[in-house]
Amino acid sequence: SQQGEEDPQALSIQEGENATMNCSYKTSINNLQWYRQNSGRGLVHLILIRSNEREKHSGRLRVTLDTSKKSSSLLITASRAADTASYFCATDARYGNKLVFGAGTILRVKS
Amino acid sequence: DTEVTQTPKHLVMGMTNKKSLKCEQHMGHRAMYWYKQKAKKPPELMFVYSYEKLSINESVPSRFSPECPNSSLLNLHLHALQPEDSALYLCASSQQDLLAGAYNEQFFGPGTRLTVL
Repeated sequence: SQQGEEDPQALSIQEGENATMNCSYKTSINNLQWYRQNSGRGLVHLILIRSNEREKHSGRLRVTLDTSKKSSSLLITASRAADTASYFCATDARYGNKLVFGAGTILRVKS
Repeated sequence: DTEVTQTPKHLVMGMTNKKSLKCEQHMGHRAMYWYKQKAKKPPELMFVYSYEKLSINESVPSRFSPECPNSSLLNLHLHALQPEDSALYLCASSQQDLLAGAYNEQFFGPGTRLTVL
């Protein structure tokens, strides 16, 4: 099965609200990455957090990593309609040989 | 230039056709990838090239044949495909962190939407 599992599967919020997405994984990792994909297009890298880091910020994005619980969360603050997209976590397993993507969360921000 | 380009954007082919997908990057990345993505699903890795050598083949059927002519180009040759091969094919590249043995951020192209009739 996939390394990363995400919840919720879909999230609908109003513009200006915060959006939180969660990712759980099963094995030890080197790093965990978050990507965004607008409908039918390529993925865009958002942020990478290493296994020895607990929190990372980039603009309106905040990512946390809890290696004891094997979970990560992505928080988007003050959401905008342009944030509407699918969001995927991807894990680089310590003894793996590839980046494995979770099922993704579909975020819809209503204006 | 931080862009990965892919051609064509759309491709419709019959099951007996031979076609190729092309991918190009000029970021000096030494790792390049092909992914297949079905609707509402995450990308699935197909192939990885590292320093122009095929390093990972995720048990992909032989009707898909990758090629890396040089460090900037990646091709995917298609032959005798099946309708279930219809998908978005994504190319990506990364500056492989060889010392740490870790995967760095990947830069994706916009994809080729493939339809097999």
